[in-house]
Amino acid sequence: SQQGEEDPQALSIQEGENATMNCSYKTSINNLQWYRQNSGRGLVHLILIRSNEREKHSGRLRVTLDTSKKSSSLLITASRAADTASYFCATDDGGFKTIFGAGTRLFVKA
Amino acid sequence: DAMVIQNPRYQVTQFGKPVTLSCSQTLNHNVMYWYQQKSSQAPKLLFHYYDKDFNNEADTPDNFQSRRPNTSFCFLDIRSPGLGDAAMYLCATSRDWQYDQPQHFGDGTRLSIL
Repeated sequence: SQQGEEDPQALSIQEGENATMNCSYKTSINNLQWYRQNSGRGLVHLILIRSNEREKHSGRLRVTLDTSKKSSSLLITASRAADTASYFCATDDGGFKTIFGAGTRLFVKA
Repeated sequence: DAMVIQNPRYQVTQFGKPVTLSCSQTLNHNVMYWYQQKSSQAPKLLFHYYDKDFNNEADTPDNFQSRRPNTSFCFLDIRSPGLGDAAMYLCATSRDWQYDQPQHFGDGTRLSIL
């Protein structure tokens, strides 16, 4: 069963612009994670935000979590061509299992 | 560098011919996972090992089996591959079976079925 759903499914922006991706989920969670997947490669963990946190930063990444709306957003500032990838949110199922959403495909044009 | 390595990167097999995919890790993590990922879809968990304890997902077909002979290695066996099994297979590890453990992925094996 899919817990998280990303929006939009695909996003195309110019280098230097900001990219925002959203994730909605259905049931209560302990934490939410974001992963990046370059074409033909494995997933790379970007950031984890716990259910009692509202915002977290890591370099050019900013993640917010709104548990009342069951949603999270990932903001990538000053995008680069190298940021072109698929981005997945992942939530727990209330227990220890991680469930991935279908991802947002980001294309950054140089 | 500590990492998760999958071999081979690309595997072609015939319909119905058994195939084995391998994964090794140097992270000394307790948990190893196998995911199936089809084009533009979410990775789907097939099963995981916590140490030597095997945990199968309810909807994983019987056609899929796994072995973990030691901490470092894990294998995915597909006994009779069908056309619907063509996919990217991802191996991942985590230090422990906890909800706040990030997973470390290999680069996957892309399986094609002729």
